Amino acid sequence: DVKVTQSSRYLVKRTGEKVFLECVQDMDHENMFWYRQDPGLGLRLIYFSYDVKMKEKGDIPEGYSVSREKKERFSLILESASTNQTSMYLCASSSGSRTLNEKLFFGSGTQLSVL
Amino acid sequence: GEDVEQSLFLSVREGDSSVINCTYTDSSSTYLYWYKQEPGAGLQLLTYIFSNMDMKQDQRLTVLLNKKDKHLSLRIADTQTGDSAIYFCAERGSGAGSYQLTFGKGTKLSVIP
Repeated sequence: DVKVTQSSRYLVKRTGEKVFLECVQDMDHENMFWYRQDPGLGLRLIYFSYDVKMKEKGDIPEGYSVSREKKERFSLILESASTNQTSMYLCASSSGSRTLNEKLFFGSGTQLSVL
Repeated sequence: GEDVEQSLFLSVREGDSSVINCTYTDSSSTYLYWYKQEPGAGLQLLTYIFSNMDMKQDQRLTVLLNKKDKHLSLRIADTQTGDSAIYFCAERGSGAGSYQLTFGKGTKLSVIP
């Protein structure tokens, strides 16, 4: 089974701190994604990456950056955390096989609270 | 941009059938998916359907697709308390952005014992 592992289940940070959220997948997937999930808003795509060192903005990239130095790892960075970034963050990956039925596999999520 | 709509809540009694509905706007959708999210967990793929199919059945799950009306539904037969979760509909288009899925906001299914 594909495993997508997010390093922290819960995080509490203070406003202005730099925050790193880490995600690792073990199936040699090419595509990796970061979403945030908020009640009533569903999932919103922040950034995605289709190859090492490549990144693309999603729907809500403001206030975030990402890093993909190795194929298996995709990091989400909050340069200066703000209270409106309190959310559940979900990492996902897909194989990048170029077939249209690419299934997304999700991690368990990181609940970030910014105080 | 493309949009996927779902009602936010559904409540059913244990043993009844649940039907979760979804509408989408992208006429070039190729695959449509149903994901399940249990409390405190990530999303898990339940099932999917290719856009040239009308129906797909997988044990207690039946997916119906009306491509003309851009309407997708998920029927859960003999709903159990373990089916209580949030269900997300998602679609994948065929264009340049097809790396991505467009998700609905999710339908929270509550099963009453």
